[in-house]
Amino acid sequence: DGGITQSPKYLFRKEGQNVTLSCEQNLNHDAMYWYRQDPGQGLRLIYYSQIVNDFQKGDIAEGYSVSREKKESFPLTVTSAQKNPTAFYLCASTPRVWGANVLTFGAGSRLTVL
Amino acid sequence: SQQGEEDPQALSIQEGENATMNCSYKTSINNLQWYRQNSGRGLVHLILIRSNEREKHSGRLRVTLDTSKKSSSLLITASRAADTASYFCATAFPAQGAQKLVFGQGTRLTINP
Repeated sequence: DGGITQSPKYLFRKEGQNVTLSCEQNLNHDAMYWYRQDPGQGLRLIYYSQIVNDFQKGDIAEGYSVSREKKESFPLTVTSAQKNPTAFYLCASTPRVWGANVLTFGAGSRLTVL
Repeated sequence: SQQGEEDPQALSIQEGENATMNCSYKTSINNLQWYRQNSGRGLVHLILIRSNEREKHSGRLRVTLDTSKKSSSLLITASRAADTASYFCATAFPAQGAQKLVFGQGTRLTINP
């Protein structure tokens, strides 16, 4: 079955450490997205990518970095510069950014800073 | 802010009753979408209604859109315990891609057996 796989599901980090969240899709979608979800809030866009080797900042990119070396993969690194990284992170994709904007989501990764 | 606002924030009903959730927004939209999120999971797309549509059905779901009032409602009929989840509206804007989808804060629905 086609879908988006996020790993790990749970991750604990000490302050000052970088961590990388994995996102892999086999939907042949061009566009991929990373969202952050905090309790009682809607989703906020961190980064998105329309095509391999290209990505754009979203609304809350500070303290995060991404890469898009393969169409299927869009890993997110939460750096030590992110002041409040404890959150639920969701990866999503669409066939393309323009014209088809129904998102398919992964199951999420919960990051906790100790 | 263009953010959609959802009402109520939480809703608890008995199994078999209907559940209604509302979403309001501030600027003209291209379409409005509803998503469902089970606790600790990703969001799942339920239904999309375009700005030129007034009502749409999918199984036990009924979505209405009133562009004059800039509001939408999601009705779940004959609720089941399995409908317990958070429901989010997301608004898409004219000439904007998926990266500009704006999500509301969600309605947490609890169906009591």
